[in-house]
Amino acid sequence: DAGVTQSPTHLIKTRGQQVTLRCSPKSGHDTVSWYQQALGQGPQFIFQYYEEEERQRGNFPDRFSGHQFPNYSSELNVNALLLGDSALYLCASSFIDRDRDGYTFGSGTRLTVV
Amino acid sequence: GQSLEQPSEVTAVEGAIVQINCTYQTSGFYGLSWYQQHDGGAPTFLSYNALDGLEETGRFSSFLSRSDSYGYLLLQELQMKDSASYFCAVRGDSGAGSYQLTFGKGTKLSVIP
Repeated sequence: DAGVTQSPTHLIKTRGQQVTLRCSPKSGHDTVSWYQQALGQGPQFIFQYYEEEERQRGNFPDRFSGHQFPNYSSELNVNALLLGDSALYLCASSFIDRDRDGYTFGSGTRLTVV
Repeated sequence: GQSLEQPSEVTAVEGAIVQINCTYQTSGFYGLSWYQQHDGGAPTFLSYNALDGLEETGRFSSFLSRSDSYGYLLLQELQMKDSASYFCAVRGDSGAGSYQLTFGKGTKLSVIP
């Protein structure tokens, strides 16, 4: 049973560019959450998608946007990249409101902005 | 908003028991979770507490006291492979909604021989 798949694994972009990160959730999961994790820090919530709608958004600027497709996969888009956007971006999938089962995380996309 | 406090580092001896504490501040508490993350790896779900008391899963146990806004993760019979970062995470009402799972900054556990 495949877990959460994220692509690409690593990415180097130039300041000002745009990037799209992709996530395929674990089979059976319908909810996708995106997190940003800086080195040595805990994951920071970006937003959550359910039924192709943004369900909740964290404290991130509008440069961060996302999408969920009918097959539950999701994309994270970041526009006008800043050096401070360099981080590990994690996708987590879950079954709606089933907290007891927890989130399943992908291995992440390591984004470096130069 | 929501906030969590946990120790930044803990060191323990192989075979021993270690407790990692977590205090939180949130509105509309729904539950406290624990995740493990090895260096360069993905966070993996360990446990979840919605009600007061102790939940046991093999060598790992997690405790919650909602009145004290406090929980802990207990790791028994420590093994070298338990060296990792451990995050507590809370779901509550952030003011913008109640779906967000907020993570602490993590506790780096080092298990020594």
